[in-house]
Amino acid sequence: SQTIHQWPATLVQPVGSPLSLECTVEGTSNPNLYWYRQAAGRGLQLLFYSVGIGQISSEVPQNLSASRPQDRQFILSSKKLLLSDSGFYLCAWSEGHLEAFFGQGTRLTVV
Amino acid sequence: GENVGLHLPTLSVQEGDNSIINCAYSNSASDYFIWYKQESGKGPQFIIDIRSNMDKRQGQRVTVLLNKTVKHLSLQIAATQPGDSAVYFCAESPGQGAQKLVFGQGTRLTINP
Repeated sequence: SQTIHQWPATLVQPVGSPLSLECTVEGTSNPNLYWYRQAAGRGLQLLFYSVGIGQISSEVPQNLSASRPQDRQFILSSKKLLLSDSGFYLCAWSEGHLEAFFGQGTRLTVV
Repeated sequence: GENVGLHLPTLSVQEGDNSIINCAYSNSASDYFIWYKQESGKGPQFIIDIRSNMDKRQGQRVTVLLNKTVKHLSLQIAATQPGDSAVYFCAESPGQGAQKLVFGQGTRLTINP
């Protein structure tokens, strides 16, 4: 069966520090991978998605970047965090346009 | 989407009653729809899906209704329980060539004892 792992679960980082969140998927090949952000009490905002290794589509301009160095690995990064980067970050995978399966999320607090 | 910055609409229901959560979708070409449940501090979990060639699908205590004429989707939860308290999102897939789901705004459902 397929599983998705996302870590860390919580993270507190100072303003201006770098960020690296990692997501890995097991049990499937060539999945679509996604990074979402969710502010408290708000909806899901798609940040990036990838349909293959090295292929990244950015949905909104921001202080973040994404990379897919391996088929089942998706990384969300920032060189310098801003206070506004705080939020709940969710990784997800899917097979094409079908249902997406989400990780448990990372709660990032920038202080 | 343009609604991600808005506060979630809320719905309060007495335990044991039925609840209906509504969702309007935008793309008439969408052919696949999903309802997700998100509990506090967790990632969204799949509840039920429906394809555009159907207008109703039932699961355990949940029913999804699809009205393509008015582009409306609803989730009915029967005999609500405290564990049903969560945020519910609808999502649409804009067709075979699409590579991502489009999520609705979400609705916060609270079950009152």
